[in-house]
Amino acid sequence: KAGVTQTPRYLIKTRGQQVTLSCSPISGHRSVSWYQQTPGQGLQFLFEYFSETQRNKGNFPGRFSGRQFSNSRSEMNVSTLELGDSALYLCASSLQANTEAFFGQGTRLTVV
Amino acid sequence: AQSVTQLDSQVPVFEEAPVELRCNYSSSVSVYLFWYVQYPNQGLQLLLKYLSGSTLVKGINGFEAEFNKSQTSFHLRKPSVHISDTAEYFCAAYPNTGNQFYFGTGTSLTVIP
Repeated sequence: KAGVTQTPRYLIKTRGQQVTLSCSPISGHRSVSWYQQTPGQGLQFLFEYFSETQRNKGNFPGRFSGRQFSNSRSEMNVSTLELGDSALYLCASSLQANTEAFFGQGTRLTVV
Repeated sequence: AQSVTQLDSQVPVFEEAPVELRCNYSSSVSVYLFWYVQYPNQGLQLLLKYLSGSTLVKGINGFEAEFNKSQTSFHLRKPSVHISDTAEYFCAAYPNTGNQFYFGTGTSLTVIP
C-alpha cells in the first residue's frame, strides 16, 4: 500500500509570506502528526490530529496551525514566515495515536 | 515529563565491526520505545519497536535492541555493520497515555570502509 505522501517536497518562501504543507496518510490511518526538524533543535512535535480533531499541540507560536479533513488528509499552515522557520517538516500517520507511526519524506521549507 | 537522551552524537565504526547506539529515557508513565533511521533528505524509517513482551526486539537490516526497565535504557545494536548503515539514528519514546513522540537528538553513524 502507498506510504505517507507529503507535498511539496521543497519550498522556498520569503519572510512574511505564508505557506501550506500537505500530508496524505496511509489509507485507513486516522492519526496524523506533524514534526519540525532543524539541526539545532532536532525533532519537535507540532500537533496531532485524530478524526479531524486536534488532540495535542506542541510548544509553537500561533503562526503554526493545522487541520485534518474527513478523508484524514492533513494540512499545516505557517503564517508570517520567519527565517527560523526554515526546516524539514515531517508528517507521520498511524492507525491510532499510540501505535507504530509511519513518516513521510518531509517538506523542506527554506525561508529567505 | 518525558525525555530521551542519546548519549553519543557521532559514532564512527569500521565496516563489519559491531556497533551499539545508546539511548536512555525518562518518563513518569510507561512508554513505548522506537528506533528510527534517517537517510539524507529522507523521512524517518522504523527500525524496530518495543511495545510489550520480550525485552529483546529484532528489527530490520539486522538491528536489535534491548529494553532495560531498571536502567531506563533502549540501546540499539548490530553485530556487523555495512557501509549502507551510514545514517542518522533516532531513539523515540511514546507515553502510553500520550499523543506524541519524544525524540532524542540523534546519533550520526558513519561506517568506515
